[in-house]
Amino acid sequence: EDQVTQSPEALRLQEGESSSLNCSYTVSGLRGLFWYRQDPGKGPEFLFTLYSAGEEKEKERLKATLTKKESFLHITAPKPEDSATYLCAVLDVFDSGGGADGLTFGKGTHLIIQP
Amino acid sequence: GAGVSQTPSNKVTEKGKYVELRCDPISGHTALYWYRQSLGQGPEFLIYFQGTGAADDSGLPNDRFFAVRPEGSVSTLKIQRTERGDSAVYLCASSRGNQETQYFGPGTRLLVL
Repeated sequence: EDQVTQSPEALRLQEGESSSLNCSYTVSGLRGLFWYRQDPGKGPEFLFTLYSAGEEKEKERLKATLTKKESFLHITAPKPEDSATYLCAVLDVFDSGGGADGLTFGKGTHLIIQP
Repeated sequence: GAGVSQTPSNKVTEKGKYVELRCDPISGHTALYWYRQSLGQGPEFLIYFQGTGAADDSGLPNDRFFAVRPEGSVSTLKIQRTERGDSAVYLCASSRGNQETQYFGPGTRLLVL
């Protein structure tokens, strides 16, 4: 069964204070690892897809990296508008007998950036 | 272009009632997914459509839940005999094809009293 664990559950940073969010995963075969941002009362907003270990992607102050067991979302010099819940999800390439075509999500990291 | 849309945005119903939730995917996306998200949790997969057919319904919790996509575009999630435990946000997502990036709608917040 696919599993995704995100840490920390919550993180409070000062504006400009860089940090990293962790996503540990277990899958039969990784088709892709996805990062989403979710604001209160909204649906998840797509950020990145990573497909293989060693891959990195960047967007503004965010950078996502991937190893065979985990992914990191690095936030550089964050601003208050980066406050949100960040969700990590995996897609399994094999039919595990349950939800193989759906994403398996972690519980998310609730990030607060204080001005 | 337009993203995934869902209606209604909020739905309040009484225990035992029947509800329908609608999802309009991104134009041209053949794959459509339904998820359920409880407070403080990540979304949980319910069902996946490729075209008109339900290719994977392994996430549906029981036979009170059913979904259709008759013309391969709009989908309706149907919940019979609602229970208080069905209260959650129901999210719809679509993608160009199977196992590609999924784009989510704003969700329908269902409250069963």
